Amino acid sequence: DTGVSQNPRHKITKRGQNVTFRCDPISEHNRLYWYRQTLGQGPEFLTYFQNEAQLEKSRLLSDRFSAERPKGSFSTLEIQRTEQGDSAMYLCASSSRGPKNYGYTFGSGTRLTVV
Amino acid sequence: QKEVEQDPGPLSVPEGAIVSLNCTYSNSAFQYFMWYRQYSRKGPELLMYTYSSGNKEDGRFTAQVDKSSKYISLFIRDSQPSDSATYLCAITLPRSGSARQLTFGSGTQLTVLP
Repeated sequence: DTGVSQNPRHKITKRGQNVTFRCDPISEHNRLYWYRQTLGQGPEFLTYFQNEAQLEKSRLLSDRFSAERPKGSFSTLEIQRTEQGDSAMYLCASSSRGPKNYGYTFGSGTRLTVV
Repeated sequence: QKEVEQDPGPLSVPEGAIVSLNCTYSNSAFQYFMWYRQYSRKGPELLMYTYSSGNKEDGRFTAQVDKSSKYISLFIRDSQPSDSATYLCAITLPRSGSARQLTFGSGTQLTVLP
């Protein structure tokens, strides 16, 4: 396992459609995060899982967004009824337990374009 | 006011130059400071992290934190064209001994010219 894997890399969808992204974290990492990054901005926190439990959600995560991490392994992020404002790079990251694991390992992201 | 402010650049320097990248933050409770490098169409990659005021060095990179001024810096010595990327500062409030939510600056785009 060489890193955090995200699929698909790119997704173009029509407004109003639903999309789902997948993230496979580093296998020994029990913490998983979703971030969103728009052009010219830094990533913004969306949600955090510790094992299968979703422990934090940003107010950016509207009710059209849902994230799951069944069995504490891979995670999915679903956006329902997509809007043009959802166009962004969706980044997944993972980290392991420990008092000094303040940095994450990010995946390469899924770039969503809503047309 | 954003919690973390970062000059977006772009910054263009000749190869071999010393590069200085900076961020300011507003919440004095923030304790952990990181720098990430992001190449085009890639995810951010952790370069350095620190939690105390002062300097931390790793090869050509030095991270500097001044908590009294709420100011953090990244210095790159002997810059190389391969350093061309966007540099993001990130800070956090640790909870229960591990970080959860990172707050990022907007990133500074750096180009090192050969």
